[in-house]
Amino acid sequence: AQSVTQLDSHVSVSEGTPVLLRCNYSSSYSPSLFWYVQHPNKGLQLLLKFLSGSTLVKGINGFEAEFKKSETSFHLTKPSAHMSDAAEYFCVVSAGNFNKFYFGSGTKLNVKP
Amino acid sequence: GAVVSQHPSRVICKSGTSVKIECRSLDFQATTMFWYRQFPKQSLMLMATSNEGSKATYEQGVEKDKFLINHASLTLSTLTVTSAHPEDSSFYICSPLAGDYEQYFGPGTRLTVT
Repeated sequence: AQSVTQLDSHVSVSEGTPVLLRCNYSSSYSPSLFWYVQHPNKGLQLLLKFLSGSTLVKGINGFEAEFKKSETSFHLTKPSAHMSDAAEYFCVVSAGNFNKFYFGSGTKLNVKP
Repeated sequence: GAVVSQHPSRVICKSGTSVKIECRSLDFQATTMFWYRQFPKQSLMLMATSNEGSKATYEQGVEKDKFLINHASLTLSTLTVTSAHPEDSSFYICSPLAGDYEQYFGPGTRLTVT
């Protein structure tokens, strides 16, 4: 079975400081992992994805995530937060056959000026 | 990136009536379509998965006779909420699966049942 745990429902950082959004997963298969962002009243947008290969994945807007199999984690990071990063972020896991995607509960990122 | 449209974006209907939500992938074909609902301040909950030309597979607890899904073509899927009740009020999001296994998401439909 697959599941995703986002450990923090809310994260608050100051503009210009690093961002860390945590995600742990459980999967019976080799997982595919995704991070999506949802701005208020907007649809979800893909930030980055890990299907296979390099475990450090770079995405849009300066975000990165590292797949750590030993820790079953896929944490999202950004060196320097921008006000426009304030949004809700979802970690998603899929089993190898992509017939189902499982969403974490989401982390709301607040960026203070 | 790929473009997905949903129509309507917002709909208000009376209890007991039915509402149809359309989802179109405008610049790619999707053999698989996911339908989600999202309650306020909550994550997306998968309702059903449909493959073009086949019957949809519903998640546990989702009534297939209440939420009718038609995946008529590789670019169009519809979700019909039949005999809607206030507890069906939610944000419904479609998500076609592209060939590179990336899920694209529609902008969502806010349904309010009065």
